[in-house]
Amino acid sequence: KNQVEQSPQSLIILEGKNCTLQCNYTVSPFSNLRWYKQDTGRGPVSLTIMTFSENTKSNGRYTATLDADTKQSSLHITASQLSDSASYICVVSLRMKTSYDKVIFGPGTSLSVIP
Amino acid sequence: DTGVSQNPRHKITKRGQNVTFRCDPISEHNRLYWYRQTLGQGPEFLTYFQNEAQLEKSRLLSDRFSAERPKGSFSTLEIQRTEQGDSAMYLCASSLALDGQDSNQPQHFGDGTRLSIL
Repeated sequence: KNQVEQSPQSLIILEGKNCTLQCNYTVSPFSNLRWYKQDTGRGPVSLTIMTFSENTKSNGRYTATLDADTKQSSLHITASQLSDSASYICVVSLRMKTSYDKVIFGPGTSLSVIP
Repeated sequence: DTGVSQNPRHKITKRGQNVTFRCDPISEHNRLYWYRQTLGQGPEFLTYFQNEAQLEKSRLLSDRFSAERPKGSFSTLEIQRTEQGDSAMYLCASSLALDGQDSNQPQHFGDGTRLSIL
């Protein structure tokens, strides 16, 4: 079964600290993996996208890694800010025979950054 | 603002009523998606359009749900005879498919319509 799991479910960190969020997937055939940030009451916003051949991608203080062999990804947030408080969703796309890649969303990790 | 726009932002209605949501995608995007999201969960795929054609529907999309994209621009999602279980956030997203593939093109999401069934 194609699934995307994320850990931890929720996380509380102090402002200025670093943190790492995990994503494990059982998706085949793999097309790409994205991380989205979703603020409360808002739609998700894309942070990074990685294909099979990419193992790291950075976007400012966000760095995503991908190990396609173990089917694991992580999102590292450096020097956290209060505005980083949000849900972080891992999204994996399956390569379909049609032109549409099926997209599977993880349940998200809820991050709270406190002063 | 040239992002994805959804209306209304909130909808409260009584069980059994019909509701309709509207999504205006980014103008040059040819693909449009509808998702449903419940509290603490990631979005679940409902359906998607390539221009005006509805190409895929999830099993979640019961016969009470219907989506249209009549001119390949905006889209509507209608729920008939609403039930308590329909309470959720309904998200719309759009993307630009190049050469028939959109796998590396991010989906741009609207801020959703939150539906509450009394």
